[in-house]
Amino acid sequence: GAGVSQSPSNKVTEKGKDVELRCDPISGHTALYWYRQRLGQGLEFLIYFQGNSAPDKSGLPSDRFSAERTGESVSTLTIQRTQQEDSAVYLCASSLAGAGGPYEQYFGPGTRLTVT
Amino acid sequence: GIQVEQSPPDLILQEGANSTLRCNFSDSVNNLQWFHQNPWGQLINLFYIPSGTKQNGRLSATTVATERYSLLYISSSQTTDSGVYFCAVDGDSWGKFQFGAGTQVVVTP
Repeated sequence: GAGVSQSPSNKVTEKGKDVELRCDPISGHTALYWYRQRLGQGLEFLIYFQGNSAPDKSGLPSDRFSAERTGESVSTLTIQRTQQEDSAVYLCASSLAGAGGPYEQYFGPGTRLTVT
Repeated sequence: GIQVEQSPPDLILQEGANSTLRCNFSDSVNNLQWFHQNPWGQLINLFYIPSGTKQNGRLSATTVATERYSLLYISSSQTTDSGVYFCAVDGDSWGKFQFGAGTQVVVTP
C-alpha cells in the first residue's frame, strides 16, 4: 500500500475488556514497531519486529500487552483486561532494514483507545 | 538506557522567523530521525540523519554523532510549521527507538 495503515482509528472500550489493534505496514518493509503516546506526551517504545528474528518486547508495560506479526505483513497488538491507564494513541511504524540495522521509520495515523 | 533531551520545550515564533531545535543523547546511536507531529497527530518524517548534514527546503538538520547532539533548523517559519518536533534515536539496541519529549512550536501570523 501507499503507507502504513491502522485500524480501527478510534476504539472505546469498557474497563476489563480485551482489545485488538491492527497495523498494515508498507509493503516490503521488514521492520515493524509499536508505540504508545499518552495525551501531551512523547512516544513510548512497545515492541519491534524484524523479519524472522525474535521480537524485542522490552517496552511492553505488562503481561496484559502482547503483539504478533504474520511474516513480514500485518501485526496485531492485543491488550487484555484493559485499564483506564491504557487510554492513549497507539502508533505503528514500519521501515526497511539491512545488515546495519533499521532505516527510516514511517508512521501510521494511530488508533485512539479510550477505556471507560 | 539511552537518554534523549530536547530543547527548548516550547517555542513561539512570528511567521518568517528562524529557529534552532536541539536534541542531545547520552550514548552512541545507530540511527537518528526528526519528526514533525502536526496538530492532527500525524507523525511526518523530516530527516533520517545518524550523522552529517541534510537540507530539505526551509528545513535542515545536522548531527554530530561524536558529540552526541543533533540540531534542526527551521528558516522563514510558516504557520504550517506549528506542531511538535520529536527527535528519536536507537542506541540501546537496533530498532528500540527512544523519543525525546519534543519541542512544541507555535508560529503566529
